Amino acid sequence: AQSVTQLDSQVPVFEEAPVELRCNYSSSVSVYLFWYVQYPNQGLQLLLKYLSGSTLVKGINGFEAEFNKSQTSFHLRKPSVHISDTAEYFCAGSLIQGAQKLVFGQGTRLTINP
Amino acid sequence: DTGVSQNPRHKITKRGQNVTFRCDPISEHNRLYWYRQTLGQGPEFLTYFQNEAQLEKSRLLSDRFSAERPKGSFSTLEIQRTEQGDSAMYLCASGQGAFYEQYFGPGTRLTVT
Repeated sequence: AQSVTQLDSQVPVFEEAPVELRCNYSSSVSVYLFWYVQYPNQGLQLLLKYLSGSTLVKGINGFEAEFNKSQTSFHLRKPSVHISDTAEYFCAGSLIQGAQKLVFGQGTRLTINP
Repeated sequence: DTGVSQNPRHKITKRGQNVTFRCDPISEHNRLYWYRQTLGQGPEFLTYFQNEAQLEKSRLLSDRFSAERPKGSFSTLEIQRTEQGDSAMYLCASGQGAFYEQYFGPGTRLTVT
């Protein structure tokens, strides 16, 4: 079955520390991958996307992600986090070539401690 | 650019009642999606429109659920005979052309008592 898996349900880090949120996908065809952020009681905001080309993609708020086809991963990183980064982060993919729907992971709750 | 808007933001209803939600996509976006998100989970796809045509429906969309997008602009999602299991956040998203990214609205939180 095609799926997106986020390996950590919760990630606590201290402010100004680096963070990595892990995401793996399962697909036998080309994929388009996304990271979204969701603040409490709000919708999802697009952080970054991988469609093709360079495997290192940069997004908003200082986040970046690296597409690794051999490891079927798309991990999200930030070198130094702020309190304001506290939120739920979702990895998503359009896993079937030509399909329009997004398949989401279960989410990772990032908590930044002062 | 006003973004995707959804109304109402919150809806509390009694079991067995019908509810209708509205989504207004970003202007000129021809693709519109509905997702459902339950507590602690990622959103799950419900249905997709390209212009006014409903092109895909999930198995999650039982016969109590119906979605429309008349004239290819706003969309409505109706749930008939609501059940407690329908309690969730209903998210709408829109997209344009060949680009796969989707832009989400703030959602409608439904509580069925």
